Amino acid sequence: AQSVSQHNHHVILSEAASLELGCNYSYGGTVNLFWYVQYPGQHLQLLLKYFSGDPLVKGIKGFEAEFIKSKFSFNLRKPSVQWSDTAEYFCAVIQIDSNYQLIWGAGTKLIIKP
Amino acid sequence: DAGITQSPRYKITETGRQVTLMCHQTWSHSYMFWYRQDLGHGLRLIYYSAAADITDKGEVPDGYVVSRSKTENFPLTLESATRSQTSVYFCASREGEQFFGPGTRLTVL
Repeated sequence: AQSVSQHNHHVILSEAASLELGCNYSYGGTVNLFWYVQYPGQHLQLLLKYFSGDPLVKGIKGFEAEFIKSKFSFNLRKPSVQWSDTAEYFCAVIQIDSNYQLIWGAGTKLIIKP
Repeated sequence: DAGITQSPRYKITETGRQVTLMCHQTWSHSYMFWYRQDLGHGLRLIYYSAAADITDKGEVPDGYVVSRSKTENFPLTLESATRSQTSVYFCASREGEQFFGPGTRLTVL
């Protein structure tokens, strides 16, 4: 079965540290890729997405992600995190030529120490 | 306002009772989804719908029933609630990206 792996379940960083959250998927065909964020007590919101074109995608709040097709990866990055980035981050993949379903990673809880 | 809404936002019920969670979207998106979110499991797909009157099972459909008589509504029914169905339920619709409702926190005593 196709899957999405987020390697870190919990990440704790200090403010101003750089962030990289890993996301790997197992499907070899054409994909659309997403990162969603869920702040404490809130619903999921789209952070950024990749459909085609430039593999380096800029999202909201200073986040970016790079699609590396050869590595089946779509890692999320931010050069300097803030306390308000404390949230859970989910990677998700749609297999374009397979079906409509989003395949979700298990999520990474990010805690930023002030 | 355009968007996706869920009701109720909080619900406490007892084992064996029937519960219906409502989901409404104003965009006329074709695809709609129901997820449950539990600690240690992330998001798990319960049911989805590709269009009105077309529904299909997701990863964890047992104990749930859905219907989609109108494009904008996608109610989820727990026919006989169990404690294991205590969770936060998210409805979503999709057109390109997926948009989520605010969630319903359901507690089954």
